[in-house]
Amino acid sequence: AQSVTQLGSHVSVSEGALVLLRCNYSSSVPPYLFWYVQYPNQGLQLLLKYTSAATLVKGINGFEAEFKKSETSFHLTKPSAHMSDAAEYFCAVSDRGGSARQLTFGSGTQLTVLP
Amino acid sequence: GAVVSQHPSWVICKSGTSVKIECRSLDFQATTMFWYRQFPKQSLMLMATSNEGSKATYEQGVEKDKFLINHASLTLSTLTVTSAHPEDSSFYICSAPNREAYNEQFFGPGTRLTVL
Repeated sequence: AQSVTQLGSHVSVSEGALVLLRCNYSSSVPPYLFWYVQYPNQGLQLLLKYTSAATLVKGINGFEAEFKKSETSFHLTKPSAHMSDAAEYFCAVSDRGGSARQLTFGSGTQLTVLP
Repeated sequence: GAVVSQHPSWVICKSGTSVKIECRSLDFQATTMFWYRQFPKQSLMLMATSNEGSKATYEQGVEKDKFLINHASLTLSTLTVTSAHPEDSSFYICSAPNREAYNEQFFGPGTRLTVL
């Protein structure tokens, strides 16, 4: 079964500092990978996804992630944190295929941005 | 972009009662929808896959008789929590696949259920 591991349940950065949220997947075949953001009491918003095109994926709000097969990683980064980035971030994985696939989520990382 | 709505956004009920949560795809059709449950400070756990016109597929450990799912139309799936108990209190989120990119899902805003 597919799974993802997010290292660090809480990450704190200063405003303007680099954001790095870690995600590793376990799969013998490179899956589809996603990063979602969740604000309190809201649903999930897609930040970016990897589907086997470019290994460096750019998303919304200045976030990007790089797929590294050798490391089975898909870490999320942003060069300069903003106060509005404070939220819960989930890495997710799904199988490849032509029909709808369920997502398996990591445990989440709470990002705090300090002034 | 495509929108998925949920109703109600929050509900408080007494123990032993049943609660129905609706998930609608507002501007697209969804033959499949997914229901997730999220406990405080935890991740989303898939409960079941809702299939239009057929029975839902439940994940291991999810009681199908307690969490009734009905996908009666191409735009509506409902989750009914029967005989709710305090341990059922959670945040319930539904999602529907993007028909132009099946690997992508649109998520509803969630429903906060509190059982007293």
